[in-house]
Amino acid sequence: AQKVTQAQTEISVVEKEDVTLDCVYETRDTTYYLFWYKQPPSGELVFLIRRNSFDEQNEISGRYSWNFQKSTSSFNFTITASQVVDSAVYFCALSGGDNQGGKLIFGQGTELSVKP
Amino acid sequence: ETGVTQTPRHLVMGMTNKKSLKCEQHLGHNAMYWYKQSAKKPLELMFVYSLEERVENNSVPSRFSPECPNSSHLFLHLHTLQPEDSALYLCASSRTWRRQETQYFGPGTRLLVL
Repeated sequence: AQKVTQAQTEISVVEKEDVTLDCVYETRDTTYYLFWYKQPPSGELVFLIRRNSFDEQNEISGRYSWNFQKSTSSFNFTITASQVVDSAVYFCALSGGDNQGGKLIFGQGTELSVKP
Repeated sequence: ETGVTQTPRHLVMGMTNKKSLKCEQHLGHNAMYWYKQSAKKPLELMFVYSLEERVENNSVPSRFSPECPNSSHLFLHLHTLQPEDSALYLCASSRTWRRQETQYFGPGTRLLVL
């Protein structure tokens, strides 16, 4: 069965600090997809990144970077030089199994608070 | 408008009321989803429609009734709800009902059942 674990429930940092959000997943599929979403206080989930299981290359987008390691089943997300606007709940998600179409399995989310 | 829109944004209803949530996507997608997000719980998938046909129903109580009249619109009809149904209801869409597709979410409807 698929499962996503975000062990950090809440993280609080001061502006300009770097912060890493952890995501560990479980799946028996050889082909799968991982996602990160951001949910600001307004409620909407904002898509950040999608990664397929065959692409272990790390990705950087501005202050955001993602580290995908199949060996440890992790897909961690780092924010460099955090800003107050980064305050939100961040969700990691895993695509469902072979016969589950577009079903997503979400982690519990990590609430990030960036203080000025 | 662009993206996924939802109305109303906030809704308060009594347990005997009937109301409907509306979702509209302007992305040309063929799959639409309803999720429930309760406090301290992960997102729960409720229903999925692909090409206007329901393809997923995650054991949702019958007091929630979805409707997908076309690929751009999705409704969630509510009747005789319980206080524990209070939550944020999120709509999403994706290009197709395939696992590699990215789902794009609307802003949600915050529902309070009294």
